[in-house]
Amino acid sequence: SQTIHQWPATLVQPVGSPLSLECTVEGTSNPNLYWYRQAAGRGLQLLFYSVGIGQISSEVPQNLSASRPQDRQFILSSKKLLLSDSGFYLCAWSVGTGGRETQYFGPGTRLLVL
Amino acid sequence: DQQVKQNSPSLSVQEGRISILNCDYTNSMFDYFLWYKKYPAEGPTFLISISSIKDKNEDGRFTVFLNKSAKHLSLHIVPSQPGDSAVYFCAARPHYGGSQGNLIFGKGTKLSVKP
Repeated sequence: SQTIHQWPATLVQPVGSPLSLECTVEGTSNPNLYWYRQAAGRGLQLLFYSVGIGQISSEVPQNLSASRPQDRQFILSSKKLLLSDSGFYLCAWSVGTGGRETQYFGPGTRLLVL
Repeated sequence: DQQVKQNSPSLSVQEGRISILNCDYTNSMFDYFLWYKKYPAEGPTFLISISSIKDKNEDGRFTVFLNKSAKHLSLHIVPSQPGDSAVYFCAARPHYGGSQGNLIFGKGTKLSVKP
């Protein structure tokens, strides 16, 4: 069966510090991978998605970046965090491209920027 | 511009009764809809989906209804249980000719089921 891992679960970082959040998927090959953010009182906002190694698409302009160094690994990074980067970050995966695939989410990382 | 709207931020229902969660959308290119359930500090879990070629899909206590003319879908939970208390997200995917876009989520509705 497929599983998705995210770490860390919780992170408190000062403004201006770097960020690296990691997501890995097990039990599937060539998944589509996604990074979402849920800010307080808001829905899920798609930040990045990837359909393959080294292929990253950005949905919104921001000071975050994403990388996919391996098939089942997706990393969210920032060189300098802003207060507005606080939120709940979710990684998700899906397989296929037919438009009917379901996305499955990881447990999330709660980031607090102070 | 919010393409997927969940206008009720919260809903309170008595255990055993029906819970009805509503979702409205504006993009006529949406052709696939999903509902997710989310507990605090956890990732959303997939509940049920419906394609635009159907108007109803049922899975156990969960039924999703789609009214394309009204651009409205709803999730019915019958009977509601205290464990159903969570935030429910509606999501939709657009289809543009030969390709599909990414999921667009609503802001969620917090359901509280009281014993």
